[in-house]
Amino acid sequence: KNEVEQSPQNLTAQEGEFITINCSYSVGISALHWLQQHPGGGIVSLFMLSSGKKKHGRLIATINIQEKHSSLHITASHPRDSAVYICAVLDSNYQLIWGAGTKLIIKP
Amino acid sequence: DAGVTQSPTHLIKTRGQQVTLRCSPKSGHDTVSWYQQALGQGPQFIFQYYEEEERQRGNFPDRFSGHQFPNYSSELNVNALWLGDSALYLCASSLPGLQYEQFFGPGTRLTVL
Repeated sequence: KNEVEQSPQNLTAQEGEFITINCSYSVGISALHWLQQHPGGGIVSLFMLSSGKKKHGRLIATINIQEKHSSLHITASHPRDSAVYICAVLDSNYQLIWGAGTKLIIKP
Repeated sequence: DAGVTQSPTHLIKTRGQQVTLRCSPKSGHDTVSWYQQALGQGPQFIFQYYEEEERQRGNFPDRFSGHQFPNYSSELNVNALWLGDSALYLCASSLPGLQYEQFFGPGTRLTVL
C-alpha cells in the first residue's frame, strides 16, 4: 500500500464545475504539500499545510490531521486549471513522499 | 527574485557517459533537494543538501552524487548513465527546517540513448 494515496487518478469536468481531489496518507507528517505540474514538467507549489484550511484565489486546501486526510478544491474551474495535481507529505526524515497525482482536464 | 533555476533545460547523453546538472536556489534559501521523475510517475527523492553537506538521501545508488557550493547552488552528478536514468530531474530549495515550503525549479529533462 502506498504511503500517500490520491483519488481520483483522472478527472474530467466541464468549465465552471467545482473540483475536489483527495489525499490520504499513512505516515506521520510535519506538513502536507499540494503541487501542480503542467505538461512539460515544471512543478508549482500551491499550498503547504500542517493544519486547518488555506485559500488562494479559486483554490482551497484543507487537512484533517486526526483522519490523515487532505482535500484540494477548485471553484469555478477553467481549462487553464488542467494539469496534474500532486499531494506530497513531508515525513520526519525530511523527505517528501509523493502521491501518484491526479490528472485533471477541464473542458470548455 | 529569479526563483529556483536549473540548467540545462534539456540534455541528451549516451549510455556510460556522465552528466552534471545544476541548480540555483531561490534567494534566501540554503537547502536544496533533488528529485527524479520518470515519465508517468511521481518524483522520487534523491538527496538533500544543507550547509554544503548531504543531509538526507533516498534510495539511489552511489552513481548519483551531489555537491553544494558556499553560495548554496548545487550540482547533481550521475555516472555510468543507463537508459533507466532518463527522467526529469527536479531541484527544490527551501529555508532550513521542516516548516518551510519547498520551491521547485523547472527541471532538467535528461534523455539517455
